[in-house]
This record gives sequence, C-alpha cells and structure tokens, in this order.
Amino acid sequence: EIVMTQSPATLSVSPGERATLSCRASQSVNNFLAWYQQKPGQPPRLLIYGASTRATGIPARFSGSGSETEFTLTISSLQSEDFAVYFCQHYYKWPPLTFGGGTKVEMK
Amino acid sequence: EVHLLESGGSLVQPGGSLRLSCAASGFTFSSYAMSWVRQAPGKGLEWVSALSDSGYSTYYADSVKGRFTISRDNSKNTLYLQMNSLRAGDTAVYYCVQDGSNGWFGYWGQGTQVTVSS
Repeated sequence: EIVMTQSPATLSVSPGERATLSCRASQSVNNFLAWYQQKPGQPPRLLIYGASTRATGIPARFSGSGSETEFTLTISSLQSEDFAVYFCQHYYKWPPLTFGGGTKVEMK
Repeated sequence: EVHLLESGGSLVQPGGSLRLSCAASGFTFSSYAMSWVRQAPGKGLEWVSALSDSGYSTYYADSVKGRFTISRDNSKNTLYLQMNSLRAGDTAVYYCVQDGSNGWFGYWGQGTQVTVSS
C-alpha cells in the first residue's frame, strides 16, 4: 500500500499570503496525484489531478506541482473562501487508493 | 449538471447490515467507474470500494473486503453498497463519487451517515 503523508498538519496564513502545502508518497506514484479541498459540512471538491492539471472551474491561484514522491499545492494569494482542509490522493497502481491525512489551512 | 444523491444511511447495531444507494444524474452513468469513499467523524478520507463502468470489475479496501459488496444498475443510474457484519469502525459519512479517469474523483455526493452502535 502506498502511504501518503501531508505536511504541515495545520498551516496558519493571513489573507493575501501564499500557502504551500506538501504531500509525500511512500513510493513513486509518477504524476497520478490529485488534490481536494473540503470545507466543514461539505463533501470534498476536486482541485487538481495529474499532479498539476486544474479541474474545471478551479481558480488559477491554485497550482499543483511535483512528481514521483514529492508534491506541492500552492495557493498564490489566499482568499477568505480558501480556508479549509486539503487532501492529496494517489491513483497509481491501485487498489488501494489512499489519501493523505490532510492539511488544515487556517486564518492567522 | 452532475448530481449524486446518496441514501440508506442510518443507525445500526454491530453485526447488522445496511444497503446504501446513490442515484446519479447529469451524466452518462454507464460510461463511468464509480466509488464509495468514507469519512469517520473528525477524520480523513478512506476509499472503500470501486466498480468499473460495466460493473464487471470490483475493488475493495482490505478493511471491508468480504463484508461489503459494491454493485450498480446502469438501467436505473444507481450505485449500491451492501454492508454486512458492520462494526463500530465503519461509522462514517459515506460518499458516492464519480471516477474521472482511473482513480481521481471529479464529483462527490453530499454523503449519507452510517452509525454502528448498540
């Protein structure tokens, strides 16, 4: 099983600042990596797939990068609606599909 | 617009059974693989099971293998999850999700709550 590890667990950021979230895979997942955003009481929403392709309707301030085992989600200028929990997920050589434990982005 | 509506969640005793349903609309259901993903209270996301577009290929997490069965009725645009021998650890919100392409999840339902407790 491929284990996904996200860091930090919590990220305190001021509106307008840049947020950088990390996701590490226990073995190479090529670029088969997705990112999701989840707000309280809502289901997750797909942000990024293929490590760097934005899903339909996702603002350009969200960008994904990385390959193999190291991935990054960057929010270039944090907006109030971006405070949420973010999960990464691999989809390489599954089952199982696995998610990271999440990073909570909170207001500083 | 893609819409996924789960139903069937409830409070059930340990060892009991439950059948979840997911009614899909807004896309050609028979052309997409589908999955169930769950989230325990205050916890992260756990993939549970996946089913190919045809329904012939099924996949399960080890934690539910042998207890849960995923199925679909493409004529009714509906996905199912039969859950048997339920345990306290199965308590979670269960999401029905559309597989965008080989394992990432483009659309999610609102979820249905399953609580296993005596």
